Amino acid sequence: QKEVEQNSGPLSVPEGAIASLNCTYSDRVSQSFFWYRQYSGKSPELIMSIYSNGDKEDGRFTAQLNKASQYVSLLIRDSQPSDSATYLCAGGTTDSWGKLQFGAGTQVVVTP
Amino acid sequence: DVKVTQSSRYLVKRTGEKVFLECVQDMDHENMFWYRQDPGLGLRLIYFSYDVKMKEKGDIPEGYSVSREKKERFSLILESASTNQTSMYLCASSSADRVFFGAGTRLSVL
Repeated sequence: QKEVEQNSGPLSVPEGAIASLNCTYSDRVSQSFFWYRQYSGKSPELIMSIYSNGDKEDGRFTAQLNKASQYVSLLIRDSQPSDSATYLCAGGTTDSWGKLQFGAGTQVVVTP
Repeated sequence: DVKVTQSSRYLVKRTGEKVFLECVQDMDHENMFWYRQDPGLGLRLIYFSYDVKMKEKGDIPEGYSVSREKKERFSLILESASTNQTSMYLCASSSADRVFFGAGTRLSVL
């Protein structure tokens, strides 16, 4: 089993709708989680971090963490064409501080 | 703003060549990383360094080595490039657990 797993997509979302992305993780992943956005041909950029159970909101983005079920999700409200990108879920590893394990990424396509 | 600079955006090399990928960060970060990114496989950690002259293998270190002689610079070395090392290579540095990426080097090995 991979440490961090995501559906590869593509996830097609109408403009203005909510995009929902999910990620599950293994026991080797520690309690810090991150969502990165990566546009085609560009490097990943951090959009959200979450460390505690529950929800964390930042603008149109909400990250949700459920440690008991070992999943983390990202909601994008009022999706815009500029949100079309690949979203990478990442978790810190328990064996080495500062090291991240990444999922393969979910491609999101927002259609006008 | 944190800046992580990779020396080349695109590189084309021949099989068997020794290849150097250079990365420099300007934020005095302790940790630096080299990842490769391939379609469907996501980002995979090759090596990381948590201090000058200190390094640890990541998940896929075979065929690679690294050098960190100065805190700001972390080099990835392909001792003898092979076609299966054709990939996008991303350098990163981190403060606490926030990771910043360079723009990436797309390496093609022919």
